[in-house]
Amino acid sequence: QVTLKESGPALVKPTQTLTLTCTFSGFSLSTVGMHVSWVRQAPGKALECLARIDWDDDKFYSASLKTRLTISKDTSKNQVVLTVTDMEPEDTGTYYCARMVGKYAYYMDVWGKGTTVTVSS
Amino acid sequence: EIVLTQSPGTLSLSPGERATLSCRASPSISSGYLAWYQQKPGQAPRLLIYDASSRATGIPDRFSGSGSGTDFTLAISRLEPEDFAVYYCQQYNSSPTTFGQGTRLEIK
Repeated sequence: QVTLKESGPALVKPTQTLTLTCTFSGFSLSTVGMHVSWVRQAPGKALECLARIDWDDDKFYSASLKTRLTISKDTSKNQVVLTVTDMEPEDTGTYYCARMVGKYAYYMDVWGKGTTVTVSS
Repeated sequence: EIVLTQSPGTLSLSPGERATLSCRASPSISSGYLAWYQQKPGQAPRLLIYDASSRATGIPDRFSGSGSGTDFTLAISRLEPEDFAVYYCQQYNSSPTTFGQGTRLEIK
């Protein structure tokens, strides 16, 4: 059974750096064709994919947030970490990690429950 | 970047009725790499359909996806009470992957 779980602070101050951890089980990110993404959802808004990391350590970032995002993986711990620098109130929302699969292009087949982050002083 | 526009924004129907949700892509998705997700309040999205028309594991056959190019459809043949939720389409034809703004399916 594939599961993912997000963890991190519920509250951060403006200008601080947010660090989120996705801990997963049921698959390995060293397996060819596996990918993990972070998706954000502001309150009452649509989904936005922030970053993706692949089994071969390739990384992809949202163009609008690229300068503020870093994604990394620790295969031995089955974890993916996302950092977001210079947090703003507009970054408030629920952050999800999701496994991505597919033969030539990748969709999100299993999601974590999400972690809610509020940016406020 | 491929922009996905979903319509209608809100759809009001009764249990037992048929629902048809639209997702329009600009520019087109030639590969058919489009997925549909269902999201209920306070929950994570759940994959329903991938590659435009393939049902994900465990998804009832009342859910079906179709379409190609610029126009895609999610149909729910006979609405059950648990189907009332927000539905998102997502394209993964090109990077960055993008989502539509969602269609809210509410009980009439």
